[in-house]
Amino acid sequence: AQKITQTQPGMFVQEKEAVTLDCTYDTSDQSYGLFWYKQPSSGEMIFLIYQGSYDEQNATEGRYSLNFQKARKSANLVISASQLGDSAMYFCAITENRDDKIIFGKGTRLHILP
Amino acid sequence: KAGVTQTPRYLIKTRGQQVTLSCSPISGHRSVSWYQQTPGQGLQFLFEYFSETQRNKGNFPGRFSGRQFSNSRSEMNVSTLELGDSALYLCASSLLTSGSYNEQFFGPGTRLTVL
Repeated sequence: AQKITQTQPGMFVQEKEAVTLDCTYDTSDQSYGLFWYKQPSSGEMIFLIYQGSYDEQNATEGRYSLNFQKARKSANLVISASQLGDSAMYFCAITENRDDKIIFGKGTRLHILP
Repeated sequence: KAGVTQTPRYLIKTRGQQVTLSCSPISGHRSVSWYQQTPGQGLQFLFEYFSETQRNKGNFPGRFSGRQFSNSRSEMNVSTLELGDSALYLCASSLLTSGSYNEQFFGPGTRLTVL
C-alpha cells in the first residue's frame, strides 16, 4: 500500500482563493510526522509545514495550515488567499518512528490563475 | 547562514560511466540524506549519513553508494550508469536534535542525464 496518497495530480485555482490539497497516509506506527513541501520549477524542495502525530492542534505557518484528521489518516494542506507564486508542485510526506527517511507522495501540481 | 549546496548542478553522462555527486550541508548539520526524483517513480529515499556512518538505506541497487566526510560533506556515487538513472538527485541536511522532528533542508539538486 502507498504510504502517502495524493489524489489530485493537478489543480487550477483562481488567485486570492483558498485551496485545499488532499493527502492521506498509511502507517501502523504511533509516532510519525507529516510534512508538506513545495517544489517550484527550479527543483528545490521548500519545507512548508509539519504536523506530529501527537500534536493536538492543527499546524499553521502563515498562509499555510494543515487539516489533520488522525482517525481518517488525512493531512490536507490549506493555502489561504492564494498567490501567483504559489504555482508549484506540492508534496505530502511522512516520517515514521523518529526515522529521518522521508516518504513522499506523488505530488499535486498547483496552478494559480490570474 | 549558507544553505545546502550541491555540485554539479547539471551533468550529462553516457551509459556505463560512473558519476560522483557532492553535497555540502548547512554548517553545523551532521545528517545528510539523498533522494532521487524521476517522473515515473517520484521522490525516493536513497540513503542517510550521520557522523560518517550510513544510518539508513533505501531500496536501490548496489550501484548506488555514498559516503560522508568528517566535515559532514557527502558524496554519492553511481557506477555503471543506466538510462533509468536520469533523475534529479536531491540532498538534504538536518541538525538531528532531540526535538519532535528534524527538519530537513534541501539543496537545489543535481540533474543527471544519462545518454
